[in-house]
Amino acid sequence: DGGITQSPKYLFRKEGQNVTLSCEQNLNHDAMYWYRQDPGQGLRLIYYSQIVNDFQKGDIAEGYSVSREKKESFPLTVTSAQKNPTAFYLCASSIGTPGTEQYFGPGTRLTVT
Amino acid sequence: GQSLEQPSEVTAVEGAIVQINCTYQTSGFYGLSWYQQHDGGAPTFLSYNGLDGLEETGRFSSFLSRSDSYGYLLLQELQMKDSASYFCAVRDPGSWGKLQFGAGTQVVVTP
Repeated sequence: DGGITQSPKYLFRKEGQNVTLSCEQNLNHDAMYWYRQDPGQGLRLIYYSQIVNDFQKGDIAEGYSVSREKKESFPLTVTSAQKNPTAFYLCASSIGTPGTEQYFGPGTRLTVT
Repeated sequence: GQSLEQPSEVTAVEGAIVQINCTYQTSGFYGLSWYQQHDGGAPTFLSYNGLDGLEETGRFSSFLSRSDSYGYLLLQELQMKDSASYFCAVRDPGSWGKLQFGAGTQVVVTP
């Protein structure tokens, strides 16, 4: 079955630690995205990548980093510089042409204490 | 910049019809999309309007008026499983793939 996987589902970390969230897709999509969702709010774009070895900052990139070394993978690192990292993180992918849908993974709920 | 406005919550009974409005302000426009998200789950794509008019997919329909910068999602014959958050989204004119999402409308379906 084609789709997007994110792991783990729940993640707990201590303040000051970097943490990397995994995102893998086997849909052969060129574009991939990372969103953050806080309770009762919409999705805010952190980073996106239109092609391998290229990525751009979204609206809230500060304190985050990404890499896109393979078409299938787009890991997100939440660094200690992110002031409020506790949130629900969603990864998505799309073909990339206008009007096409984005396919979302199941998300990772990160809690930092 | 871009901004989207949609109501925060709508409550309706099973079998009823619900309309979720979305107004947007964008520097350019390349279509309005709608996504559904059940609590704790992943958003799933419902519809896309690139041109004015109504798009129908089963019990759900979506409408767009570009001259009014306005669209809506119509949910008919409401079922309990339709209880979810619904987001409108517009594509960023500077990037063919990037979407800007509204804050979402929580639809509560009661028996």
